Amino acid sequence: TQLLEQSPQFLSIQEGENLTVYCNSSSVFSSLQWYRQEPGEGPVLLVTVVTGGEVKKLKRLTFQFGDARKDSSLHITAAQPGDTGLYLCAGNSGNTPLVFGKGTRLSVIA
Amino acid sequence: DTEVTQTPKHLVMGMTNKKSLKCEQHMGHRAMYWYKQKAKKPPELMFVYSYEKLSINESVPSRFSPECPNSSLLNLHLHALQPEDSALYLCASSQDRTGLVRTQYFGPGTRLLVL
Repeated sequence: TQLLEQSPQFLSIQEGENLTVYCNSSSVFSSLQWYRQEPGEGPVLLVTVVTGGEVKKLKRLTFQFGDARKDSSLHITAAQPGDTGLYLCAGNSGNTPLVFGKGTRLSVIA
Repeated sequence: DTEVTQTPKHLVMGMTNKKSLKCEQHMGHRAMYWYKQKAKKPPELMFVYSYEKLSINESVPSRFSPECPNSSLLNLHLHALQPEDSALYLCASSQDRTGLVRTQYFGPGTRLLVL
């Protein structure tokens, strides 16, 4: 069974601080997605990473896919209250359904 | 356009009611999914349709009945639900079900309350 371990589960920080969320597995994934979800809404796709070692940037968000394609990280620089939400990583491998991490609940306090 | 739409946004139903959830995408995607999400948990896969055929049923109770009338539409028919079925129901689509990159795009969800 493939698992994605996401950490931390909860994070509460002050506006302007930096943070990193991790997504780790013992399995290799062919691609990995990061989503952000607001309460009562569907997950919104932030990025898909495919190549080992790949780094993608989306404004203040930096996503990295591990060289072995078993782990990924999301780094947010100078967090803002609008970054508050549930961050989910999810991975694809073979023909198996998408595997989700348990999520990181981020709260950015003004 | 990466939009998946879902209706209704909210639904309250009794345990004897029959209702349907609807999902639509116009991205030309050939795989569509239903997920159930409880509060503070990640989405749980219920059904997968690939090229309009049911390819995965994750042991979902028969009170949930999916239907894929065409490649753009996905329905979830609900009958005789239980209060514990109250959740956010999410629809998603991807280009197809196989292949190295199968990015899924999610709809806004239907918040279901069963009384």
